[in-house]
Amino acid sequence: SSELSQPPSVSVFPGQTASITCSGDDLDDTYVSWYQQKPGRPPLLLIFKDIKRPSGIPERFSGSNSGRTATLTISGIQVMDEADYYCQAWDTSRSFDFGAGTRVTVL
Amino acid sequence: EARLAESGGGLVQPGGSLRLSCAASGFNFDAYAMHWVRQAPGKGLMWVSGLSWSGDVFGYADSVRGRFTISRDNAKNSLSLQMISLTTEDMAFYYCVKSADSQLWTSAAFDHWGLGTLVTVSS
Repeated sequence: SSELSQPPSVSVFPGQTASITCSGDDLDDTYVSWYQQKPGRPPLLLIFKDIKRPSGIPERFSGSNSGRTATLTISGIQVMDEADYYCQAWDTSRSFDFGAGTRVTVL
Repeated sequence: EARLAESGGGLVQPGGSLRLSCAASGFNFDAYAMHWVRQAPGKGLMWVSGLSWSGDVFGYADSVRGRFTISRDNAKNSLSLQMISLTTEDMAFYYCVKSADSQLWTSAAFDHWGLGTLVTVSS
């Protein structure tokens, strides 16, 4: 099965832009979803089909997919955005993969 | 708003069995595929098993295949996961998760998650 690679951590100052990458060999064949998880809480869907936001998700969260690398961008980051972020994709070999997660710290 | 409530977690000895349940409400349960995703304390997310809307298409992660069985009862809006031969590697929070699609093997997102139920495997 494919593996999704994410940086373990990203640190940014309030108001700056955080970019989290997700790399995988098969990402050009499938859509990527992104989830936010805060301590003690279940994951929350942030982005689906590479770029779409569910209702209620702020516009500062955006996604892109350039083939083998998908990116979650948090523009004008706020302290409340401190969390773990996971990418996820369907593996056509009959599985679903998650990245290992990226911890975002707002300095 | 979709709601998912897991139950059945607890302490079990290595080699033991446990059955998790998930009660769904707030959406047409029989129109969506469903999944179980687990997370060991302090670790990342791992897909465990999934089931299509009808229950006739299903899948398992390699690490649980042959030990776990997923099922659903659309008349009762419920999802289950029967687990046997549990090991310490299975210790985790288990989340009941709704797919955004009726079919299992798609790129559809996991759009609603329950709060999770903790499975502890220890002697």
